[in-house]
Amino acid sequence: DQQVKQNSPSLSVQEGRISILNCDYTNSMFDYFLWYKKYPAEGPTFLISISSIKDKNEDGRFTVFLNKSAKHLSLHIVPSQPGDSAVYFCAAILGSSNTGKLIFGQGTTLQVKP
Amino acid sequence: DAGVIQSPRHEVTEMGQEVTLRCKPISGHNSLFWYRQTMMRGLELLIYFNNNVPIDDSGMPEDRFSAKMPNASFSTLKIQPSEPRDSAVYFCASSPARGTQYFGPGTRLTVL
Repeated sequence: DQQVKQNSPSLSVQEGRISILNCDYTNSMFDYFLWYKKYPAEGPTFLISISSIKDKNEDGRFTVFLNKSAKHLSLHIVPSQPGDSAVYFCAAILGSSNTGKLIFGQGTTLQVKP
Repeated sequence: DAGVIQSPRHEVTEMGQEVTLRCKPISGHNSLFWYRQTMMRGLELLIYFNNNVPIDDSGMPEDRFSAKMPNASFSTLKIQPSEPRDSAVYFCASSPARGTQYFGPGTRLTVL
């Protein structure tokens, strides 16, 4: 049972435009969400996170939006740059977890074209 | 500050051989996680430790896989005997109690 889903395996955008990556979850007990970015031959690196008590968190070009009623979160990258080309994973933590066990989505490969 | 260290970075072995992957977490982090990434299944959690104690090993595929954390600065993931279907990239990650996980560079395992 996939509790965190990224339904778009890939996304291609033009440099300078907005990239929107989507993620849906099924468990209403998730209370913290994270986005990771992964380049080939490297481990995933933390990008941005959001607590379930917020609906938006912004860090430079990256903004994460959370819609709890729809069980949906999205990552916006504005403006997109070729260096943003990578695989993006969303992940969630159960509120009952005191060890930070992450449930990952399948990932979305973003390609930003110059 | 050094990040999570994994060794070896690449491992090629023959079916039936024992494989040991190693991980040194970030100092001060008390949770450690082992993941496997494949094209078919994406990034899947195998096992995680909290304060050196295994908490959840439900993701370990079968008895051929075992993991240990003898102290706060070292963990191993062992596959014995290895099979071609074990070929994947194995990541180790560490975190503070309930914080962001920091991943190592991964070990690419190829079982012939």
